[in-house]
Order: sequence, then C-alpha cells, then structure tokens
Amino acid sequence: DVKVTQSSRYLVKRTGEKVFLECVQDMDHENMFWYRQDPGLGLRLIYFSYDVKMKEKGDIPEGYSVSREKKERFSLILESASTNQTSMYLCASSKMGRGHHQPQHFGDGTRLSIL
Amino acid sequence: AQTVTQSQPEMSVQEAETVTLSCTYDTSESNYYLFWYKQPPSRQMILVIRQEAYKQQNATENRFSVNFQKAAKSFSLKISDSQLGDTAMYFCAFIANTGNQFYFGTGTSLTVIP
Repeated sequence: DVKVTQSSRYLVKRTGEKVFLECVQDMDHENMFWYRQDPGLGLRLIYFSYDVKMKEKGDIPEGYSVSREKKERFSLILESASTNQTSMYLCASSKMGRGHHQPQHFGDGTRLSIL
Repeated sequence: AQTVTQSQPEMSVQEAETVTLSCTYDTSESNYYLFWYKQPPSRQMILVIRQEAYKQQNATENRFSVNFQKAAKSFSLKISDSQLGDTAMYFCAFIANTGNQFYFGTGTSLTVIP
C-alpha cells in the first residue's frame, strides 16, 4: 500500500515565523501535491510537482513556496506565517500518467494554527 | 478552467438506507476522470470509486455506485445499505486526460444515523 507521511499532525506557530511542512511518499510516485482544506471551501491546490526540482503553482500559491529535492519528499514552506494561513494542510501523491490517471493518495493532514 | 460543484453541504441517512450524493462539473474536455473520495472524521482521505469518462458503464464498488451522465456533466454517488462507518466528508474530484491538476468540490458531510 502507498504511504504518504506528513511530518506533523498538529502544529502551532506564531505570525512571521517561517514554517516547514514535510511530506514523504514511499511508492516512487512522480506527482506530489499540497492542498489546504477549509470548511465550505473544500480542497484548494497550493502547489504541485511532477518531477524532482519541478513545481507548478496551483490556485492559491501566494504566501507559500515548495521544494522538491528528492522524488519522495515534497516540502511546503510558509515564508512568513500569517493568521489567515491557519488551516488543514493535505499532501498527496499520484503516479504519472497522462491518459491513464491514477488516483491520489493522501497523508493524514497537518492542522496548522498560526497565533 | 474546470469546476466541480457539490450542492449538498450536509446530508444524513438512516442506517441500512440508501443515499445519493450529487456532483456536477463543468469542462470543455472530452476525456477525463472522475473520482469520489471519503474523509472520515480525523482520518485520512481515501478513494471510494473512480469513473473514466469514455466508459459508458457506471462504476461500482461493493455498496458504492455512481450515476455518470456525461451529457449533463453529472456524477452522483449512491451508497446502499448505509453503515455507521460511512459517516464522513465526501469529495467529488475531476482531472482532465491532458492535465496533472485535480479539481475538487467543496464536499458533502454525510452522517449515518443509527
């Protein structure tokens, strides 16, 4: 079974701090994604990556950056945390395949609170 | 751009009954994939069922089935013989054949009542 592991289930940080959320998958998936999940808004894509050192902006990239130095690891960075970034963050991975899309596999999520 | 709409924020169903969750989407693509995901309270999101747009036959997975109406751009999920473990948030998702980005609806919170 695919396992997607997020480094923290709960995290509390202060405004202005630089925050790192880590995600690791163990199935050699090419694609990795970061979403934030807010009540009534569903999942919104922040960034995704389809290869090492490659990244593409999603729908809400402002205030975030990402890093993918190794295939199995995809990091989300909040450059200067703000209270409106308090949310649930979900990492997902999927196998590459235009024309034959595989479903996404999700981590447990990180509930981030910015005080 | 693709959009996915789930018009039922909350639903409830009696245990052992059948419930249908609705999902509509908007796209100009002709080839795409649709998914239903389930997120139990405080637990990981998992895939429930998947449909390929070029297949006319509706997908089925045990008690879960879909009603895929391509012309109407509708993709509803039917849960038969509802169980307490079906209580969860359900998300409908879309991805175009030519794309790498998944698009999710806002979710339907389903409660199964004993």
